[in-house]
Amino acid sequence: NAGVTQTPKFRILKIGQSMTLQCAQDMNHNYMYWYRQDPGMGLKLIYYSVGAGITDKGEVPNGYNVSRSTTEDFPLRLELAAPSQTSVYFCASSKLAAHQQFFGPGTRLTVL
Amino acid sequence: GEDVEQSLFLSVREGDSSVINCTYTDSSSTYLYWYKQEPGAGLQLLTYIFSNMDMKQDQRLTVLLNKKDKHLSLRIADTQTGDSAIYFCAERDGHYNAGNMLTFGGGTRLMVKP
Repeated sequence: NAGVTQTPKFRILKIGQSMTLQCAQDMNHNYMYWYRQDPGMGLKLIYYSVGAGITDKGEVPNGYNVSRSTTEDFPLRLELAAPSQTSVYFCASSKLAAHQQFFGPGTRLTVL
Repeated sequence: GEDVEQSLFLSVREGDSSVINCTYTDSSSTYLYWYKQEPGAGLQLLTYIFSNMDMKQDQRLTVLLNKKDKHLSLRIADTQTGDSAIYFCAERDGHYNAGNMLTFGGGTRLMVKP
């Protein structure tokens, strides 16, 4: 199993640009999550999904959108990039709600 | 909201024991977790403890939970240079409508000197 994969690894955006961070898992997990990690801080939950077609906001959803059309994929969309969205983004998945989450390697995003 | 606090930094010598501490505020936590993050990588689950337990041992790792003081610790015996990483404490909110969320601490950077 590849586990949780994320693309791209790195990206630089200009203010106002948009992009989609890709996340996929091959463990048939129902639960998927997007987090951001700012320097020296813990992870903050952006959005999560409990299954295909169902998503919900986490702690810091503003400026982001998600969709979950399949069990495997959970893309995160930034519509109008802002410098405050400079961060490392992690996708995770789990079989049970919030329990024993598996993390991807992360996407480092810089908005200039 | 709920809060999880950790000290920022810990330095130990190879072969010594490391103890990483964490405090939390949520009295309804169901599970508490320790994750390890190596440079440039995602988080890896090390171990977890259910809130009705006070100790869990897994090879070199010992987790102690003091629910009264809301204090969690991770002890790594015979610490090796490969244990150098950032360690995150996290708690799973026990409230029904927040059961899908983990609250993470800021992480403790463990440096192991040869």
